[in-house]
Order: sequence, then structure tokens, then C-alpha cells
Amino acid sequence: DTEVTQTPKHLVMGMTNKKSLKCEQHMGHRAMYWYKQKAKKPPELMFVYSYEKLSINESVPSRFSPECPNSSLLNLHLHALQPEDSALYLCASSQEGRNSPLHFGNGTRLTVT
Amino acid sequence: QKEVEQNSGPLSVPEGAIASLNCTYSDRGSQSFFWYRQYSGKSPELIMFIYSNGDKEDGRFTAQLNKASQYVSLLIRDSQPSDSATYLCAVNAGGTSYGKLTFGQGTILTVHP
Repeated sequence: DTEVTQTPKHLVMGMTNKKSLKCEQHMGHRAMYWYKQKAKKPPELMFVYSYEKLSINESVPSRFSPECPNSSLLNLHLHALQPEDSALYLCASSQEGRNSPLHFGNGTRLTVT
Repeated sequence: QKEVEQNSGPLSVPEGAIASLNCTYSDRGSQSFFWYRQYSGKSPELIMFIYSNGDKEDGRFTAQLNKASQYVSLLIRDSQPSDSATYLCAVNAGGTSYGKLTFGQGTILTVHP
């Protein structure tokens, strides 16, 4: 079992829908991340939050909108997605410091129809 | 372009053998190195991390780092069928404070009985 919890596990949405992915960690980590992973590819970084502030945005389209309400929670709001956005969305957290390993949640499998 | 390269495999070893997974990286400023295991349809699971030159052992796993050669490897002793998975090498990009990991493409390992 992972200490980073993501909901929902699976999500199917149409291109006109608005949905949100949620992530929660209770390890006291101060950095949280969103990664996107397509089939047979490595994870790709989307966003990094440190101390609840957005520190890295890897030029992600505005149809993906991250939010960090507090140090334990991370959301990813989705709007007007495209079928090519279908992927496994991974949340991760880490302690401070560049050497701290990332701990991933179980992911949300997103399908855009 | 900072890159991490892995043998794409697939790598097939018999049960009980040593599996050797290799990774090279291009950014000489990289300071932390991680190995993740990912089962099909699941999220990456951290199995080893290493920061200093030399070997680091944890149970059946040994990570080896050679910064001069920009090379990191993972040895799995007494390989078991349950070790069959994709192994991702990840490197923390130099100059950042948090886990902006660059992943290799992954090596698929199959351990056959």
C-alpha cells in the first residue's frame, strides 16, 4: 500500500466535461508533484509544488490546472481535454531537498472520449 | 538536453540468476539517482536510491554509482519471477531543489522459472 492516495482510480470523461483528480499524503512531505505517463513511456513531469506554492510548470496546457489547498492535498482540475490526454496521472510527494526520493501514489487512469 | 539512457531490453534471466540493469546520464551536475520498479498497469515503486560513488546494498538489490563515468546500475541477485517488471532509472537534475526527476525509458525484465 502506498502512503500517497489518489482518487479516483479510474476516470472516463468527455471532451466537454470538467473533472478533478485528487491526491493526499500524510507523510509530512513539503513537495508534491503531478506526473503524466503514457503507455510504455516513462513518467513526464507536469507540475511541482513546494510549500504549497507552484514552483515548476513544465509548459503544461492550460486545460490542466493544479491546486494545492494545503500541504497534504493536491488537486488537478481538468477541462476541455483531448483524447490524447488519456494517460495514467501520477501524484508524488517528497521531503525537502534535491536528494529526497519521490513516493508515488497508485495513479488515476484517465480516458478522454 | 539532459538525458538518461537505459538498455531497453527486454532482459530475460532465469530464476536464481543475477539481473544487471544499466543506466547512463548526461548531466554531470546530477547528484541523486533512483531506481523504480513498475509492474504493468501500476505506479512506480521506489526500490533503491544512491547519492555517493560506490555500491549500496539492500537485501537482494545493489545499486552502483560511478559519477566519473556517469553510470549507475542495479543488480538483482537471486532473481525471482516476481521481479519481472519494468525498471526505471531516474536522475535528479542538477540545480533544482526538489525532485525534478528525469527518467530513462525503462528496462523490461523477465525472470523465467
